[in-house]
Amino acid sequence: EDQVTQSPEALRLQEGESSSLNCSYTVSGLRGLFWYRQDPGKGPEFLFTLYSAGEEKEKERLKATLTKKESFLHITAPKPEDSATYLCAVQAKVGGNYGQNFVFGPGTRLSVLP
Amino acid sequence: NAGVMQNPRHLVRRRGQEARLRCSPMKGHSHVYWYRQLPEEGLKFMVYLQKENIIDESGMPKERFSAEFPKEGPSILRIQQVVRGDSAAYFCASSPFTPRQGALGYTFGSGTRLTVV
Repeated sequence: EDQVTQSPEALRLQEGESSSLNCSYTVSGLRGLFWYRQDPGKGPEFLFTLYSAGEEKEKERLKATLTKKESFLHITAPKPEDSATYLCAVQAKVGGNYGQNFVFGPGTRLSVLP
Repeated sequence: NAGVMQNPRHLVRRRGQEARLRCSPMKGHSHVYWYRQLPEEGLKFMVYLQKENIIDESGMPKERFSAEFPKEGPSILRIQQVVRGDSAAYFCASSPFTPRQGALGYTFGSGTRLTVV
């Protein structure tokens, strides 16, 4: 069964203190790995898609990387406005029901203190 | 270009009542997905629909839950005879592509927060 775990569950950083969030996955053939940001009371906002091991994507202070078993979301010099829950999801190669092929992790709650 | 629109934003129902959640996908998107998010849990897939077709409902509870995406109008997620355990945030997402066409992050709405009292 495809699974996604994320760590840590919650992370508190001081403004400017860089860190990384982890997403570990078990999937029967990876089609894509996705990172989303979710603010309280809102829907997830798409950040990145990664397709193969070794791939990296960057957007402002965020950089996502992918290996065969995990992905990291690196946050460089974070600001308070980066505070949110970061969700990771995987889509497995299509076969069988779609619902079994797109799985979200529980998320990491990031708080950046000024 | 409006995003994915969900309404109502908040819905309170008494046990035993019906809840109807609406989702209008982005313009040009014909693929709609419903997810449920329980407190402290990740998003769980419920159902995937195209216009007038349910493609995959493997995540839907067998009883009381149904979904539709008619030719005209929004997609509807319907929960009959709600129970306290149905309290959650329900999110709709849309995409212009099928899963087979590409692994693309789709666009989510802001959700409907259902509270059953």
